[in-house]
Amino acid sequence: RKEVEQDPGPFNVPEGATVAFNCTYSNSASQSFFWYRQDCRKEPKLLMSVYSSGNEDGRFTAQLNRASQYISLLIRDSKLSDSATYLCVVNTVDSSYKLIFGSGTRLLVRP
Amino acid sequence: DAGITQSPRHKVTETGTPVTLRCHQTENHRYMYWYRQDPGHGLRLIHYSYGVKDTDKGEVSDGYSVSRSKTEDFLLTLESATSSQTSVYFCAISESPTLNTEAFFGQGTRLTVV
Repeated sequence: RKEVEQDPGPFNVPEGATVAFNCTYSNSASQSFFWYRQDCRKEPKLLMSVYSSGNEDGRFTAQLNRASQYISLLIRDSKLSDSATYLCVVNTVDSSYKLIFGSGTRLLVRP
Repeated sequence: DAGITQSPRHKVTETGTPVTLRCHQTENHRYMYWYRQDPGHGLRLIHYSYGVKDTDKGEVSDGYSVSRSKTEDFLLTLESATSSQTSVYFCAISESPTLNTEAFFGQGTRLTVV
């Protein structure tokens, strides 16, 4: 089983739609959680960290459920420019300092 | 943008030849990572470093070695390149993965093994 799993998509939604992605992680010792965005043929860039209480940044809301070991990303009022791959990232600090990526969820926002 | 550069950006090499990719940072971050990205697999960790001369294996380390002789440089070596190592390689740096700090990525190296 992969340490971090995501639905690969693609999610194909119209402009203005609300879309949600989930990500599950297997290691209960995981401590830090992030969502990264990756545009085609570019490097990943941080979208937002995910905090235990949940957090919001404009149209983006991230939530963490430690009991069920999943994190989510909600995008409201989708824009064409939101089209990208969204990567779930988990850091596990047990005896190591690994940043583990999910395989990504592809989002396509159509006019 | 964070000061992280990868070299070369593109490389074509023949099967069986050694290849070294370089990651250079100017941020003085302690943690450095090498990933490969392939369709359907996302980013997979090859090796990482948590300090000078301190490295450890990731999930796909076979066929790769690394070295970190100084804070700013993290080298990834393919001792004898194979076609399965054709991929896009990303280097990342992080100040501290325990503090919810951002990891910054280089622009990637596209390696083709023929």
